[in-house]
Parts: sequence; C-alpha cells; structure tokens
Amino acid sequence: AQSVTQLDSQVPVFEEAPVELRCNYSSSVSVYLFWYVQYPNQGLQLLLKYLSGSTLVESINGFEAEFNKSQTSFHLRKPSVHISDTAEYFCAVSDWNQGGKLIFGQGTELSVKP
Amino acid sequence: DGGITQSPKYLFRKEGQNVTLSCEQNLNHDAMYWYRQDPGQGLRLIYYSQIVNDFQKGDIAEGYSVSREKKESFPLTVTSAQKNPTAFYLCASSIGRTGGHEQFFGPGTRLTVL
Repeated sequence: AQSVTQLDSQVPVFEEAPVELRCNYSSSVSVYLFWYVQYPNQGLQLLLKYLSGSTLVESINGFEAEFNKSQTSFHLRKPSVHISDTAEYFCAVSDWNQGGKLIFGQGTELSVKP
Repeated sequence: DGGITQSPKYLFRKEGQNVTLSCEQNLNHDAMYWYRQDPGQGLRLIYYSQIVNDFQKGDIAEGYSVSREKKESFPLTVTSAQKNPTAFYLCASSIGRTGGHEQFFGPGTRLTVL
C-alpha cells in the first residue's frame, strides 16, 4: 500500500531564513503528489501539486517543491519564510487507480520566529 | 461562493450517544471523503463516496457510519461503538473519482466526548 513519510514533525526557523520540509513516498508506477497547509483550527488548503510534466512546481506565495522519482521524494522549500507561514504542512499522494483517495503524511509543524 | 460547509464547528457528546456531523458541498463534485485528524497522526480516511447511494470504508471505519442520498451531502455518524471519538473531523470533496484530482476541504468539526 502507498505510504507517505514526513521526516520532521516540527521545524522551527527564524523569519527570512530558508526552509525545507521533507516528504518521501513509497514507490509506485504512477503517482500524483500534493502539499497542503493547515492553519490552526481550520481545514486544509492546497499549496501545490505535481501531476506530470516539469518536476519543479511552484505556489503563488513563494513555496516550491521538486518531484524526484529516483529518490521518491517531494520536498517543499521556501527561500525566505514569513511569520505568516507558521502552520502545519501535509504531504499527500494518490495513485492513478486509487479512486481519488489521498494518503497523507503525519504533518510537519512549521514555526517561524521573529 | 462555492465551497464545503461543515456543521457544527464544535460538538460535545456524552459517552454512549450517537452524533451526526454535517457536510455539504455546492461544487458539483462527485466524490466526497471523511477524515479524522489526531495530533501527530496526520489525516486518516474514515469513509468515502464516489457516487450517490454508494460509499466505501476507509482505513478506520469501525464505529462510524455514513450515507450519500444526495450529491451535495455526506453526513457522518459517530456511533457509541467508536471507542475514542474525540478528534477533529474533516470533510473533503473532489471532482473526479480517479487519482490526480485536488481535494477541497471544509473547515472541520471538533468533537469532544465528555
């Protein structure tokens, strides 16, 4: 069965520093990859997704993620974080034949300090 | 505005009571999902439905029941058989029944058993 591992449960970082949130998934023939963000006591919002094509995908607020098939990874990066980026981030994967189901990682809590 | 609504936002239940969580979407999506979120465990799939009058168990269906009588609605009942129901419950929907489609999430219902 497909699985997702987020290697860090908590990532503290200072404002304007770069950050990387790591995500690895179990290998499959064809996968689709997502990053979601969750602010306290709210639902999840899609940050970015990889379906096909360019392995580097970007969000409108400066995050980017790179699909690496050989390493089965989809790490999320931002060159300079803001206080407002403080949230929990979830990596998720779906297979083409899984009926649209998403398998989520355990989440990474990003805490940006002034 | 199109979206997903969940009600109530907070719900308190006495042990031994059944409670029903509401989820409504006006996105004209075929597929709907229920997840349970516990700290440090990510999101776990309870039930999902890809079409009206049909639904499937997810990974943690025991103690829960659902119905899908209308395309717009997918209520979740937490029964007294669920041993540890205190959690944050998230409903989601997606346009397609195959992989690669983004899931849109509601704001969540926080259930507390007293």
